[in-house]
Amino acid sequence: GQQLNQSPQSMFIQEGEDVSMNCTSSSIFNTWLWYKQDPGEGPVLLIALYKAGELTSNGRLTAQFGITRKDSFLNISASIPSDVGIYFCAGRDNFNKFYFGSGTKLNVKP
Amino acid sequence: GAGVSQSPSNKVTEKGKDVELRCDPISGHTALYWYRQSLGQGLEFLIYFQGNSAPDKSGLPSDRFSAERTGGSVSTLTIQRTQQEDSAVYLCASSLGGTGSKGYTFGSGTRLTVV
Repeated sequence: GQQLNQSPQSMFIQEGEDVSMNCTSSSIFNTWLWYKQDPGEGPVLLIALYKAGELTSNGRLTAQFGITRKDSFLNISASIPSDVGIYFCAGRDNFNKFYFGSGTKLNVKP
Repeated sequence: GAGVSQSPSNKVTEKGKDVELRCDPISGHTALYWYRQSLGQGLEFLIYFQGNSAPDKSGLPSDRFSAERTGGSVSTLTIQRTQQEDSAVYLCASSLGGTGSKGYTFGSGTRLTVV
């Protein structure tokens, strides 16, 4: 079955630092998504990517759809305390089914 | 509605009892997913409904779990004879589906505690 590996599992960083996390899959996807989940809430979509090589920004967030279509990364620049949460990647296959990574838990020290 | 609505938001039940969790997706969304999230963990896929197609039930952990979607809208996830390991947050998400889909929108979840 489909395998989606997300790393790192958790990060502890200082406010102002940049952050990078990534996901790799065992097969190709036609869409990559990045979500953020705050405690007690459902995940919220941050960035959606639809084409191999696509690089998209949303404020301090930048994500890229890997050229092989089997990977994606998310960068957060100049982190702030409200960036704390769990970040999930998700990929959509050709059968329109989504798969989620296991999440990256981000902790930001003021 | 404006978003995906789930009810109840919290449910405490005794071991062995049945529970029903409800999801009201965004109007017009044809795809609906159920996920389970244990404390501090990732999202575990349970079941996927897409339009009138047969649901993908491949993620249901046991035959105590079932789900239905009536009229292509509201969905109910039923857990029979609940066990303590069923305690988790159950998240529902819906999307437009099809090749134009832009990902999906999650509800806030139902936190189930089996005591």
